[in-house]
Amino acid sequence: DIQMTQSPSSLSASVGDRVTVTCRASQSISSYLNWYQQKPGKAPALLIYAASSLQSGVPPRFSGSGSGTDFTLTISSLQPEDSATYYCQQSYNTPLTFGGGTKVEIK
Amino acid sequence: QVLLVESGGGVVQPGRSLRLSCAASGFTFSSHAMHWVRQAPGKGLEWVALISSDGSNNYYADSVKGQFTISRDNSKNTLYLQMSSLRAEDTAIYYCARDPRAVAAKAFDYWGPGTLVTVSS
Repeated sequence: DIQMTQSPSSLSASVGDRVTVTCRASQSISSYLNWYQQKPGKAPALLIYAASSLQSGVPPRFSGSGSGTDFTLTISSLQPEDSATYYCQQSYNTPLTFGGGTKVEIK
Repeated sequence: QVLLVESGGGVVQPGRSLRLSCAASGFTFSSHAMHWVRQAPGKGLEWVALISSDGSNNYYADSVKGQFTISRDNSKNTLYLQMSSLRAEDTAIYYCARDPRAVAAKAFDYWGPGTLVTVSS
């Protein structure tokens, strides 16, 4: 199984800050990497697919990059509504696996 | 708009069975693979199962293989998860999620609100 490791597990940043979350796969997964946002009490929502493609309706302050084993989710200017937990997920093969999540809080 | 609504959750005793349903609307159900994903209380996300658009191919997490069965009825626009021999560690919110493609892209572009399954005596 492919293990997905996210860092940090949590962070606190101010409105307007640039925020970066990293995700590392235990083996190369090419660009088969997706990012999700989950707010408390809600289902997750797809933000980024295929490592760098923005899902329809997602604000352009969100971006993704990387390939192989190392990936990054960036929020260019953190907004209050971005307070959430973010998960990466590999879609290279089954079993599909998620990272442990990164909780982003607003200072 | 795309709508997925799970049902069938509740409190069940260890060793018993439960069947979850997911009613889909707002899109051509038979053109998309579908998934179940679960989340234990306060924990992260765990993929459970995938079924192809025509129901001919299924894939499972090792943790549920032989215990859970995913199926679908394209005439009813409904996805199912039959869960048997339930254990305390199966306690979770179960989400139904749509795959963007018929031949699974193995991503989840729409999610239902989830249904809570609690396994407890």
